[in-house]
Amino acid sequence: GENVEQHPSTLSVQEGDSAVIKCTYSDSASNYFPWYKQELGKGPQLIIDIRSNVGEKKDQRIAVTLNKTAKHFSLHITETQPEDSAVYFCAAKRNTDKLIFGTGTRLQVFP
Amino acid sequence: ETGVTQTPRHLVMGMTNKKSLKCEQHLGHNAMYWYKQSAKKPLELMFVYSLEERVENNSVPSRFSPECPNSSHLFLHLHTLQPEDSALYLCASSQRSGTSGRNEQFFGPGTRLTVL
Repeated sequence: GENVEQHPSTLSVQEGDSAVIKCTYSDSASNYFPWYKQELGKGPQLIIDIRSNVGEKKDQRIAVTLNKTAKHFSLHITETQPEDSAVYFCAAKRNTDKLIFGTGTRLQVFP
Repeated sequence: ETGVTQTPRHLVMGMTNKKSLKCEQHLGHNAMYWYKQSAKKPLELMFVYSLEERVENNSVPSRFSPECPNSSHLFLHLHTLQPEDSALYLCASSQRSGTSGRNEQFFGPGTRLTVL
């Protein structure tokens, strides 16, 4: 069945360093790839997304890259700050309403 | 605030109890979802309602019973649950825009359910 693998499960970085989270999807028909950030006590919130006709998208300190051939996509956070500490989820969707989520990455940014 | 509210935020129930989770969205969306979030597992989609009709049921046990009386409200009725049903239950909504739509889903804060 469809699945999304996400690595690493935990990531610790020093404030100011970059963080990279990688996901691999199985369904080649997937065409939409959002990233969600979940802070303690809150539901996941969309932070950036990318469609399959684009290879890279950037929004201030965060960027997402997509390699359709290899079926993987990555989240890049530059100049990390303590408030970036959260659990990040990738997801993939084809032409349905169903998002397939990764298992999450717990990011800790140390001051 | 995402525009999606859930009540209660925390719930402890015994295996023989009956309880309901409530979700309300204030975004004018036409689709609503229930997810189960367990530790170290991907978010599991349970149910999808589009225009108040259930369009997806991911092999969820019958002890979970959804209800969508209108496009703004979604309930999850719980009956004779098991301890392994303890999890965070998340509600989400989106604006369905055809099969190729972006389908950004907005999540509520969740209900932390503990089954004793």
